[in-house]
Amino acid sequence: DAGITQSPRHKVTETGTPVTLRCHQTENHRYMYWYRQDPGHGLRLIHYSYGVKDTDKGEVSDGYSVSRSKTEDFLLTLESATSSQTSVYFCAIRQETHNEQFFGPGTRLTVL
Amino acid sequence: AQSVTQLGSHVSVSEGALVLLRCNYSSSVPPYLFWYVQYPNQGLQLLLKYTTGATLVKGINGFEAEFKKSETSFHLTKPSAHMSDAAEYFCAVSDRGADGLTFGKGTHLIIQP
Repeated sequence: DAGITQSPRHKVTETGTPVTLRCHQTENHRYMYWYRQDPGHGLRLIHYSYGVKDTDKGEVSDGYSVSRSKTEDFLLTLESATSSQTSVYFCAIRQETHNEQFFGPGTRLTVL
Repeated sequence: AQSVTQLGSHVSVSEGALVLLRCNYSSSVPPYLFWYVQYPNQGLQLLLKYTTGATLVKGINGFEAEFKKSETSFHLTKPSAHMSDAAEYFCAVSDRGADGLTFGKGTHLIIQP
């Protein structure tokens, strides 16, 4: 499982509230990613990080921000959650030696 | 920009039959190509990948895929389907950089007894 954990695993929140999802890795990987999975869309990249304090936007970054103050943690924040952000969120790391991405178990977020 | 097209959102095969899941991609540079499998309520597991070298790549659980540059395809096959193969399968492409994968919309594989 590449030592990736996500928390919380499930969350229900209300429209307009802030939400932070955490991704934690134990293997000191440089690259980390946040994706969202929606039926009929596959997975889409939200943001990614290529080092501490180094992040960049992905395909669907509007409404999301990220932070990486330590190598092991990559946080995804919804400043003001909307119902369109109801989704399953996956964190991933990139294993550089083999050019592979490994995924965490996911967080199911419901915005009412 | 890259894109991935997976033909057929649902594919149904009989147990013991050939599995063929289709993936076509577009990329402005030689791509890295991946197949992932997702079982219900779980994360994604890497099945196989193509980066360089041999165009026929073998993965876990008896799956293999062939990179065909002229057809911009990376179809996934398995000679004999098992009930345990029932899952969602995703094809993904990378432009060899580190800025994330582009996924297809997925194919749900159904195995009929």
